[in-house]
Amino acid sequence: GAVVSQHPSRVICKSGTSVKIECRSLDFQATTMFWYRQFPKKSLMLMATSNEGSKATYEQGVEKDKFLINHASLTLSTLTVTSAHPEDSSFYICSARDMGQGLYRNTEAFFGQGTRLTVV
Amino acid sequence: GNSVTQMEGPVTLSEEAFLTINCTYTATGYPSLFWYVQYPGEGLQLLLKATKADDKGSNKGFEATYRKETTSFHLEKGSVQVSDSAVYFCALSDPGRDDKIIFGKGTRLHILP
Repeated sequence: GAVVSQHPSRVICKSGTSVKIECRSLDFQATTMFWYRQFPKKSLMLMATSNEGSKATYEQGVEKDKFLINHASLTLSTLTVTSAHPEDSSFYICSARDMGQGLYRNTEAFFGQGTRLTVV
Repeated sequence: GNSVTQMEGPVTLSEEAFLTINCTYTATGYPSLFWYVQYPGEGLQLLLKATKADDKGSNKGFEATYRKETTSFHLEKGSVQVSDSAVYFCALSDPGRDDKIIFGKGTRLHILP
C-alpha cells in the first residue's frame, strides 16, 4: 500500500518553543491530509483537515493559532505546535488519501507512524 | 453528527479464543466503515473495510459485515493469536460530510499464550 512518512517520530522540546511535524505522502499525491491527536488510552481526535493550496479546516475546540497547518504541496503537510506547553504533550498522527484510486469514498486513508511530542 | 461507538476495553482472551469487538455507528448519509489496528509503538494500519450495506470486509482472519439495519460493523476472528494483541479502532467516513474519518475510542486487545 501507499506510504505516509511522518517526521520526527519523537521530539522533546522546552516549554514556550515551537515544534514542526512533517507529513509526506511518498508514492502518491494527496490533496487532503488529516491531523489527529491521540491521548493516552483514548481515541484519535481529528484536529484539522489540511487542504493543498488553501487554509486548513479546524475542528471545533482546536486553536488554529496554536496548531498551524501548512499544506504547501500535494505530498507535504506540516503541523507546527506554537509556544508549546506541557499539556500539548501527546501523540500526533497524520493521514492522507490517495487521490489516484478513483471514487473518493472508496479510498483508504494511509497513516503516518505518528510523532510523540513531549514538552518539558 | 457522525459518531462511532465501540466496546470498552481492555479485552483479554486466551490464544485460539473467538473474538468479537462490537461497533455501532451514527451517520446521516451512507458511510464507508473501517477497522484500523495499532500495534504497540506503531501508527495505524487499515485492517479491513466495507463501503456499502451487506459488504463483508476481511483480512488476516478478521471479518466484519456492514449491517445497515442495526448500524453495526462488529469485528470477529475465529481464533486469535498472541500477535493480534493491539488496539483496534472502528471508524467511518461519510462522503456527504467532508469525508473525514471519525474514529471510535479504540479497544485494547490482550491475547494470552
